[in-house]
Amino acid sequence: SQQGEEDPQALSIQEGENATMNCSYKTSINNLQWYRQNSGRGLVHLILIRSNEREKHSGRLRVTLDTSKKSSSLLITASRAADTASYFCATDPYTGANSKLTFGKGITLSVRP
Amino acid sequence: NAGVTQTPKFRVLKTGQSMTLLCAQDMNHEYMYWYRQDPGMGLRLIHYSVGEGTTAKGEVPDGYNVSRLKKQNFLLGLESAAPSQTSVYFCASSYSQGHYGYTFGSGTRLTVV
Repeated sequence: SQQGEEDPQALSIQEGENATMNCSYKTSINNLQWYRQNSGRGLVHLILIRSNEREKHSGRLRVTLDTSKKSSSLLITASRAADTASYFCATDPYTGANSKLTFGKGITLSVRP
Repeated sequence: NAGVTQTPKFRVLKTGQSMTLLCAQDMNHEYMYWYRQDPGMGLRLIHYSVGEGTTAKGEVPDGYNVSRLKKQNFLLGLESAAPSQTSVYFCASSYSQGHYGYTFGSGTRLTVV
């Protein structure tokens, strides 16, 4: 079963605009992670935010986490055509040594030049 | 530093044939995972390993077997391939649980006819 659910399923924006993607989850987490997948490639880890953090930045990426609402958002500022990809949120419950990430179904982002 | 390497990249099997997918990582990661990615389904965990000599079932283990005889390698086997196993398979590894993201391979596209 998939824990994270991303919203919207697809997003199309103009180059230079900001892109906001949301993720909701159902159970308690230790951390939440965002990944990018370019067409035909593997997933690339973008950013990890822990349950005791509310906001984190990495370059043009800004991630927020609201554990009371069980939701996270990924903001990409000043988007570029190269940001066109699928984006996945993944939740880590960290229940011990056998803890695994659970991925959502992904958001398809298209950035028009 | 190659990261996570998957072989082969593409394969076509006939129903009932067997094959092994190889995953190799050179980062000395303890944890390794096999996921399958299907359209509209996101990534689903097949099997995983928390260290050399260990394996465990994930969300969709039926029809697959795995082995982790060496820390750097994680093999995924299909004993009798079925069309339902047509998918893109990703291997991933991580340094530890609960604190780090996963490093993914570039995937194996398998078609069972």
